[in-house]
Amino acid sequence: DIQMTQSPSFLSASVGDRVTINCKASQNINRYLNWYQQKLGEAPKLLIYNANSLQTGIPSRFSGSGSGTDFTLTISSLQPEDVATYFCLQHNSWPYTFGAGTKLELK
Amino acid sequence: EVQLVESGGGLVQPGASLKLSCVASGFTFSDYWMSWVRQTPGKTMEWIGDIKYDGSYTNYAPSLKNRFTISRDNAKSTLYLQMSNVRSEDTATYYCTRCDSTGSTPFAYWGQGTLVTVSS
Repeated sequence: DIQMTQSPSFLSASVGDRVTINCKASQNINRYLNWYQQKLGEAPKLLIYNANSLQTGIPSRFSGSGSGTDFTLTISSLQPEDVATYFCLQHNSWPYTFGAGTKLELK
Repeated sequence: EVQLVESGGGLVQPGASLKLSCVASGFTFSDYWMSWVRQTPGKTMEWIGDIKYDGSYTNYAPSLKNRFTISRDNAKSTLYLQMSNVRSEDTATYYCTRCDSTGSTPFAYWGQGTLVTVSS
């Protein structure tokens, strides 16, 4: 199975900050990497698919980059409504695997 | 609007069986692969498996394939997850998911989830 190592596990930032979250795959996954946002008590929401494609309806302050084994989710200017847990997912090969999550809070 | 509504969760004893359902609306159900994903109380996410749009092919996480079965009824726009011989580690919220409209990525749409608690 492909292991997804996500960092950091916890992140505290201020409104307006630039925030980055990383995922590292244990082997090459090309660009088959998605990012999800999960707010408390809600289902996950797709933000970025295939490493850098912004899902319809998602604010442009969210962006993704990377390929191969190293990927980054960036929030260019943190907003209060971005408080959530963020997960990465590899869908290059079965079994699909998720990162452990990054909990983002406001400082 | 794509809607996925899971049901069937609850408290179940170890060793028992349980069948979850997911009713889909807002799209042509028979056109899409569907998947189940679960999230433990500690928030760990785990892919369970997929089923092809016509039900002719399924694929499972190796650790679950001997106990979990995914099926679908396209006439009822309903996806199922049959769980057997459940264990405490199966305690989780179970989500029904669908790929995006082009099929280029899985898990684009999610239901609200149904909670399964395995305990005596």
